[in-house]
Amino acid sequence: GAGVSQSPRYKVAKRGQDVALRCDPISGHVSLFWYQQALGQGPEFLTYFQNEAQLDKSGLPSDRFFAERPEGSVSTLKIQRTQQEDSAVYLCASSPDGSSYNEQFFGPGTRLTVL
Amino acid sequence: GQNIDQPTEMTATEGAIVQINCTYQTSGFNGLFWYQQHAGEAPTFLSYNVLDGLEEKGRFSSFLSRSKGYSYLLLKELQMKDSASYLCAVRDSNYQLIWGAGTKLIIKP
Repeated sequence: GAGVSQSPRYKVAKRGQDVALRCDPISGHVSLFWYQQALGQGPEFLTYFQNEAQLDKSGLPSDRFFAERPEGSVSTLKIQRTQQEDSAVYLCASSPDGSSYNEQFFGPGTRLTVL
Repeated sequence: GQNIDQPTEMTATEGAIVQINCTYQTSGFNGLFWYQQHAGEAPTFLSYNVLDGLEEKGRFSSFLSRSKGYSYLLLKELQMKDSASYLCAVRDSNYQLIWGAGTKLIIKP
């Protein structure tokens, strides 16, 4: 009964470097969400997948951010040419289906620090 | 724009009761969630309200008034482990979760 896992847990990048953050959702969960959480703030929506389809990417802050979920399970959030303002915790969450009722189950997050 | 307001910080005493308020203005409404987040950890689900009224779950209760755009989370018999941030989130008409900044609850002995 594993929960949502994310890797790495911590990532330090130099400004301009590309990073890739991985999310393993709960097995069988249809919906997958990525959020960005700055210190002392609530999560900010980035993007949403239903199976392999990216249904909403309206929260991605720039075209440097790209997410994929090619086989409808594991997802990767890629940030190109990182900037200092990208420093945050990146949370992944999954839920069983697209129902409006379902709670989202969160992973522990990846803390990204851009120097 | 969309807005979720909750107090930044609250302090309460172990064994007491505390009420954390949340007001919202969103484009559409498809349910309101409360999550608990301990420092450095992932948010964990506490409650869900979609109809007006009170939902009780053990020591925690959550209330919703859709006409007032208002909810509260009530925590009873406070324990030291309840020290955490409490996040209010509203699912809007696009089924996106809009989150408040969270209320940091400090429990004192």
